[in-house]
Amino acid sequence: EVQLVESGGGLVQPGRSLRLSCAGSGFTFDDYAMHWVRQVPGRGLEWVSHISWNSGSIAYADSVKGRFSISRDNAKKSLYLQMNNVRIDDTALYYCAKSAVTDDDALDFWGQGTFVTVSA
Amino acid sequence: SSELTQDPAVSVALGQTVRITCQGDSLKNYYVSWYQQKPGQSPLLVIFGNNNRPSGIPDRFSGSISVTTASLTITGAQAEDEADYYCNSRDNTGDQLVFGGGTRLTVL
Repeated sequence: EVQLVESGGGLVQPGRSLRLSCAGSGFTFDDYAMHWVRQVPGRGLEWVSHISWNSGSIAYADSVKGRFSISRDNAKKSLYLQMNNVRIDDTALYYCAKSAVTDDDALDFWGQGTFVTVSA
Repeated sequence: SSELTQDPAVSVALGQTVRITCQGDSLKNYYVSWYQQKPGQSPLLVIFGNNNRPSGIPDRFSGSISVTTASLTITGAQAEDEADYYCNSRDNTGDQLVFGGGTRLTVL
């Protein structure tokens, strides 16, 4: 059974840093690209970042470029999102998601999310 | 603002057919995927590669595309199909993914 379990969310002050983690199981983690997607409660989905299976290709949404950094450790079957210089509008539920085998842009399994609150 | 445009809300009578659309110039060049999200749940992929259904998704869900407009069609909508639906694809530069604003489907 595929599982993605996010952790690391919580309350953080504006300008500070936070690191999110996502542990994958039930699939061959290093075969798949991975994504972070966020959602403000009651609002729509916002794609945040993508990393290819071997970390050779990485992309970010303009809203987080230069502040967030995605990485992965295939040996630990884990995905990370380093969030630096966080802003109030980074407050959201952060999902990690796995790419489909035939389409890196299709997210075929999502975790339950970890909530990040940015507040003074 | 999203480069993929969806109608905010659509309704359908139980058992009838409904089409949810997603418009964007990038759809000429990149595949679209569709996701279903019910309250309190994570999104679920229902269509990928414009018109492919993942294993386990009922065949009443289908996808199509015409130039810059993608459509998710539910043929014979069920009460359990009531949810928010999102499309996603690349942006116009091809460098980033983007989601549409979402369509809330009500089954009457």
